[in-house]
Amino acid sequence: SQQGEEDPQALSIQEGENATMNCSYKTSINNLQWYRQNSGRGLVHLILIRSNEREKHSGRLRVTLDTSKKSSSLLITASRAADTASYFCATDGHAGGTSYGKLTFGQGTILTVHP
Amino acid sequence: DTGVSQDPRHKITKRGQNVTFRCDPISEHNRLYWYRQTLGQGPEFLTYFQNEAQLEKSRLLSDRFSAERPKGSFSTLEIQRTEQGDSAMYLCASLAGPLPETQYFGPGTRLLVL
Repeated sequence: SQQGEEDPQALSIQEGENATMNCSYKTSINNLQWYRQNSGRGLVHLILIRSNEREKHSGRLRVTLDTSKKSSSLLITASRAADTASYFCATDGHAGGTSYGKLTFGQGTILTVHP
Repeated sequence: DTGVSQDPRHKITKRGQNVTFRCDPISEHNRLYWYRQTLGQGPEFLTYFQNEAQLEKSRLLSDRFSAERPKGSFSTLEIQRTEQGDSAMYLCASLAGPLPETQYFGPGTRLLVL
């Protein structure tokens, strides 16, 4: 079953604009991860944020995590046409205990960046 | 290329046939995961191995599905008596402990059951 709900389901922007995607989840987690998937391809890991972290940056990516609201957001700044892909959040759901890497994915946000 | 390979990349089969997929993880990774992804959805967990031991199986994995990792290296996922509902992308991922850690996904095997 899908743990996460992602919002919006689709996002269309112009190159240079920022893109924000949101993810909500239902159960306690150990960590939350964001992945990118180009059409018909495998998933590429973008960033991992632990349950005791609130914000993390990696290049043009900024991820926030609010465990009280069970939500996360992914911000991509200064978007490029090459950022066009589906973006998924995934939770590893063993809060406070041993994580064994079983990920529960949301349904994803389809991002289209127009040149 | 993440270093995880899957074979074949595409498979078309007729309903009722058996199919087998292979995953070769990154060589030093002791954990291996299988996921299934249907069109427009996120991946769903199927099963995972630590070395050669299969430690968890999702209820999605009916008795027509079997997975093995005989020497703790590559893994196979077999589907017997395929059904049209089995059509999906089958993804393999691996990672090294200790957790939490990044999972490295293979390119997937896309199965179409006619």
